[in-house]
Amino acid sequence: AQSVTQLDSQVPVFEEAPVELRCNYSSSVSVYLFWYVQYPNQGLQLLLKYLSGSTLVKGINGFEAEFNKSQTSFHLRKPSVHISDTAEYFCAVIRDSNYQLIWGAGTKLIIKP
Amino acid sequence: NAGVTQTPKFQVLKTGQSMTLQCAQDMNHEYMSWYRQDPGMGLRLIHYSVGAGITDQGEVPNGYNVSRSTTEDFPLRLLSAAPSQTSVYFCASSTETEAFFGQGTRLTVV
Repeated sequence: AQSVTQLDSQVPVFEEAPVELRCNYSSSVSVYLFWYVQYPNQGLQLLLKYLSGSTLVKGINGFEAEFNKSQTSFHLRKPSVHISDTAEYFCAVIRDSNYQLIWGAGTKLIIKP
Repeated sequence: NAGVTQTPKFQVLKTGQSMTLQCAQDMNHEYMSWYRQDPGMGLRLIHYSVGAGITDQGEVPNGYNVSRSTTEDFPLRLLSAAPSQTSVYFCASSTETEAFFGQGTRLTVV
């Protein structure tokens, strides 16, 4: 069965420091990959997505992610975080464009002043 | 541009009561879905629909019913609420490459 693993449930980081949120997936077929962000008491918003082409994907708010097919990873990075980045981040995949998202458990990004 | 609208935002039910969570989208998407979000478990798919008149079960369908009489609306019915259904519920409307979410319904069953 296909699965998505977010390796860290929480990531504390100082403001203006870089951050990486890790995501690995299991699939032997083509996938579409996504990162969604959920700010406190809000719905989910698309941060970025990989469909095909360049493996480095840039998203909103200065985030980027790199698709690594050999390691089946799609880690999210930001070079300098701000207090406004405090949120929960979810990695997800769609397999073979069948519309159904498979979700990771989420990573809470905690920004320390 | 409303996107996906969910109502209500908050609800408290007593065990055994029934209710309907409403979801409407104005993007003319065929695919819609309902998720529940519980701490540490990500989002789990309850039911989904690939078009008007077509629905199917997701990962955790027990205790929930759905219908899809129009493209726009996809209500979720709790038949007899149980404390285990205390959760945050999200409706989504999707294209092939992106899902758009409502703001969620926080449901507490006491």
